[in-house]
Amino acid sequence: AQKITQTQPGMFVQEKEAVTLDCTYDTSDPSYGLFWYKQPSSGEMIFLIYQGSYDQQNATEGRYSLNFQKARKSANLVISASQLGDSAMYFCAMREGHNDMRFGAGTRLTVKP
Amino acid sequence: DADVTQTPRNRITKTGKRIMLECSQTKGHDRMYWYRQDPGLGLRLIYYSFDVKDINKGEISDGYSVSRQAQAKFSLSLESAIPNQTALYFCATSGFAGQASTDTQYFGPGTRLTVL
Repeated sequence: AQKITQTQPGMFVQEKEAVTLDCTYDTSDPSYGLFWYKQPSSGEMIFLIYQGSYDQQNATEGRYSLNFQKARKSANLVISASQLGDSAMYFCAMREGHNDMRFGAGTRLTVKP
Repeated sequence: DADVTQTPRNRITKTGKRIMLECSQTKGHDRMYWYRQDPGLGLRLIYYSFDVKDINKGEISDGYSVSRQAQAKFSLSLESAIPNQTALYFCATSGFAGQASTDTQYFGPGTRLTVL
């Protein structure tokens, strides 16, 4: 069964606008962590933001925030004030307890000038 | 200097050859991982190691083996490479933060492997 689903293969956003990248997950473990990574065209994987299942507040890191809706099992990434350098692939990932981290298939974000 | 390094960065090899990909880290982390990335499939875990004496199979370990030579070094071997092992390979590390699910992984730059 697919653990992590990213339903948007590609997204476009105008520079300086906000954009939301969707991620839904499936787990019955009460303890889990959700992660977002950015992969620019150069190929490296860059850690962006983390949300724990017990965290009461949504995680934020600069222009990145995670819209965590636990009952809906969604962990959408919100990028505010998009910049051209935000154009990249974005991966959502989940780790349940001590298990492996599982990644979604990714969303390719293109920021238009 | 990068915290997680991978060598080589690019490699072209032929079917049937043995090949080793190496990973080194200076983050002082105990945990190390090998992933492969294929277009449209995200990253899939091949092997992981929680310390020098601990090696575990991941989702897609067939056709691969690993060696944890030291806390800072984790190598991935393809004993007899085949074309469908052509992929981008990532090494990652993490430090135990008290609760496993909070374990953020930090990635190396990747190795692009082509098997002809």
